[in-house]
Amino acid sequence: DTGVSQNPRHKITKRGQNVTFRCDPISEHNRLYWYRQTLGQGPEFLTYFQNEAQLEKSRLLSDRFSAERPKGSFSTLEIQRTEQGDSAMYLCASSLGVAGDTEAFFGQGTRLTVV
Amino acid sequence: AQSVTQLGSHVSVSEGALVLLRCNYSSSVPPYLFWYVQYPNQGLQLLLKYTTGATLVKGINGFEAEFKKSETSFHLTKPSAHMSDAAEYFCAVRAIQGAQKLVFGQGTRLTINP
Repeated sequence: DTGVSQNPRHKITKRGQNVTFRCDPISEHNRLYWYRQTLGQGPEFLTYFQNEAQLEKSRLLSDRFSAERPKGSFSTLEIQRTEQGDSAMYLCASSLGVAGDTEAFFGQGTRLTVV
Repeated sequence: AQSVTQLGSHVSVSEGALVLLRCNYSSSVPPYLFWYVQYPNQGLQLLLKYTTGATLVKGINGFEAEFKKSETSFHLTKPSAHMSDAAEYFCAVRAIQGAQKLVFGQGTRLTINP
């Protein structure tokens, strides 16, 4: 297993366009998380899935953001009508999701630039 | 609500010198504690974690951290800095039960001087 994979690594888009990012977690991991990291800041939690169920969403996740995890495997994060303030690194992480689960493994992130 | 404060957004040390990165947390119950490292344009890599048991935790690349409940601290240390240690370091907390999300500090950029 090569770890958590995110695509694309970089995305430049014009303001107002829609973008979609993909995350493939480690294959046996049940939990999947999305975080956003702006320049000079720590990552901020956006949402998380247990299998296909979206169990928690941050207030940072406005109506323009939607995340899915069909069939409990890969996940997508879509941003509609992008704004310049959406420019950030979007990080995906996964974890086992069983009792005693303590460690989340991160992907390399998708850097979004809205121009 | 949980929060993490990392004292010092930038730390600079000489190669071979002691590295000390400070982290204090706020949580209503003792949490799990983590240190992650991030290299430019990369994701986060786990350095070490405290869950239960021994309060002095050893991690990768010669780093260690000590959980001090009375001080609500989890400072990261390394006895001798190496040039390859230059990176951004993040302290994070997570509830033991309930919400699985990590709450991160704002990060400390470590610079190593030759």
